[in-house]
Amino acid sequence: GAGVSQSPSNKVTEKGKDVELRCDPISGHTALYWYRQSLGQGLEFLIYFQGNSAPDKSGLPSDRFSAERTGGSVSTLTIQRTQQEDSAVYLCASSLALVDQPQHFGDGTRLSIL
Amino acid sequence: KQEVTQIPAALSVPEGENLVLNCSFTDSAIYNLQWFRQDPGKGLTSLLLIQSSQREQTSGRLNASLDKSSGRSTLYIAASQPGDSATYLCAVFLDSNYQLIWGAGTKLIIKP
Repeated sequence: GAGVSQSPSNKVTEKGKDVELRCDPISGHTALYWYRQSLGQGLEFLIYFQGNSAPDKSGLPSDRFSAERTGGSVSTLTIQRTQQEDSAVYLCASSLALVDQPQHFGDGTRLSIL
Repeated sequence: KQEVTQIPAALSVPEGENLVLNCSFTDSAIYNLQWFRQDPGKGLTSLLLIQSSQREQTSGRLNASLDKSSGRSTLYIAASQPGDSATYLCAVFLDSNYQLIWGAGTKLIIKP
């Protein structure tokens, strides 16, 4: 069956540009998560959604980052005025529920800021 | 603040050996502990999820144990194969904020 799909798989952009990353979760998964994986720094939690709601946005690195989820399905992570330190792999995961269920990951979007 | 540590950072063993990967966490107030594998350029694949009330979980050649009181988990891989080569990550789930806190991973290489 279809897994978590992320697009684009790679994105190269100039510093200062805005980027939008997309995540299409597994059908029926109510919980959705965004993580960032930087070289040499491991995985960093960014935000989670339960349905369309994101109760806690404190994991987002700065106010240049925002995320939304519509229709309880597709989510977008937007980074405004990108900086070089935003370069990383952005991973999305979904699960049937927030607790007691394993998270299923997409292959990520590799973002490079020139 | 919860911290997760994985030792060793890298491990290379001949095919066929049994091996153990270690994970430790500083705060025993976890909801569950999860083991994942990550192949180069790919996302993560969930391997095992152990609830805080459980002691171990098994899936095929993999066995994960959890000692919550001492803040430790181990992932045992039996009869290792070259296809097991990957980075293995453990993470603890906090139901206080629904976050997974991650270790840095163990890069495993199984030599044919």
